[in-house]
Amino acid sequence: QAGLTQPPSVSKDLRQTATLTCTGNSNNVGNQGAAWLQQHQGHPPKLLSYRNNNRPSGISERFSASRSGNTASLTITGLLPEDEADYYCSAWDSSLRVWVFGGGTKLTVL
Amino acid sequence: QVHLVQSGAEVKEPGASVKVSCKASGYTFTSYFMHWVRQAPGQGLEWMGMINPSGGGTIYAQKFQGRVTMTRDTSTSTVYMELSSLKSEDTAVYYCAREREACDYWGQGTLVTVSS
Repeated sequence: QAGLTQPPSVSKDLRQTATLTCTGNSNNVGNQGAAWLQQHQGHPPKLLSYRNNNRPSGISERFSASRSGNTASLTITGLLPEDEADYYCSAWDSSLRVWVFGGGTKLTVL
Repeated sequence: QVHLVQSGAEVKEPGASVKVSCKASGYTFTSYFMHWVRQAPGQGLEWMGMINPSGGGTIYAQKFQGRVTMTRDTSTSTVYMELSSLKSEDTAVYYCAREREACDYWGQGTLVTVSS
């Protein structure tokens, strides 16, 4: 089944802004929008946003998501050391009737 | 407070089956779908399938069709994922995650090791 495409790695300096991308197609990201998950080593994933820019309670406003066509983006402002993690996008594919994940982006905060 | 508590780590031989449980609490069990996602060592997340705890309906990823079975017990608010004909490539951490619009709560993960 088709997955979503994410860059394998992104590196940014402390206190800078990082934008992570996730590209799908009109049946998944372009239709239902994307969710973003953060995962620290050895821990389960944590939901950061869903349907493009809905944040669960407790998630910092430094995390914001958007979508343009079939590409979703997650922007993290004022990078902190604890933002260093793996970030995954996911979406429901209405044609295949499956959840699809991106391969993940490893964010390094320098 | 929402909790998803999974069963403990398992070690299985190739060809065997494993059954992982996920006990939900803190919300109405039948109001949220439950997904199973696995993560092989050093790899990304892989969706295995989902179950509707209300009616028991399931959708499985094509890759696991014929090898995976997801069930639920509404009396104990528990969902189960059974994977058969295990191979070494099935060594992974298996997660359950509840979902309505997104997977907002995840279990702690269950490590399944397949080794002879």
